[in-house]
Amino acid sequence: AQSVTQLGSHVSVSEGALVLLRCNYSSSVPPYLFWYVQYPNQGLQLLLKYTSAATLVKGINGFEAEFKKSETSFHLTKPSAHMSDAAEYFCAVSGRGSSNTGKLIFGQGTTLQVKP
Amino acid sequence: DTGVSQDPRHKITKRGQNVTFRCDPISEHNRLYWYRQTLGQGPEFLTYFQNEAQLEKSRLLSDRFSAERPKGSFSTLEIQRTEQGDSAMYLCASSLASSGASGNTIYFGEGSWLTVV
Repeated sequence: AQSVTQLGSHVSVSEGALVLLRCNYSSSVPPYLFWYVQYPNQGLQLLLKYTSAATLVKGINGFEAEFKKSETSFHLTKPSAHMSDAAEYFCAVSGRGSSNTGKLIFGQGTTLQVKP
Repeated sequence: DTGVSQDPRHKITKRGQNVTFRCDPISEHNRLYWYRQTLGQGPEFLTYFQNEAQLEKSRLLSDRFSAERPKGSFSTLEIQRTEQGDSAMYLCASSLASSGASGNTIYFGEGSWLTVV
């Protein structure tokens, strides 16, 4: 079975500071990994995904994440936080292969607060 | 707009009533998913369709819940005899099945909020 653990339900940073949101996964097979962002009362928007091409994945809005197999981690970072980054962030895992349904298993989410 | 569309966006209903949500996926997508999300939690998988076939259902999907995807296009999620515990946001998502290295990117709709009073 696959699972995702997001460490820290709330993260607060100052505008311009580094953003680091932590995600650890558990999977018996090499997974696909995703980060989604959710703004209040909206659906989820894909930030980036890891599909085994490059371990450092760049996404939208200046975010990136690094897949570390030895640590089973896929942490999300952004060098300089902007006020508009305040939102809920979800890490998710899915299986791979043509027979896989592709369904996502989500973590509990991390609320990012950006202080002026 | 060619994204995933959900209707209605908000629904308030009395306990015991039936409600139905509709989802229109991205037009060429053959996979469709329903998720449920409660406040402060991540989305939880409910069910999955490939074309018109419902191929997987979560244990969360009690017998009061039914989902359909006639003709493999839009989908409906019906909840019968609603309970207060059904209050949540119901998210629909779609994707195009891919066996390649690009993976299976899932696109979400804006969600349908259900409040059972």
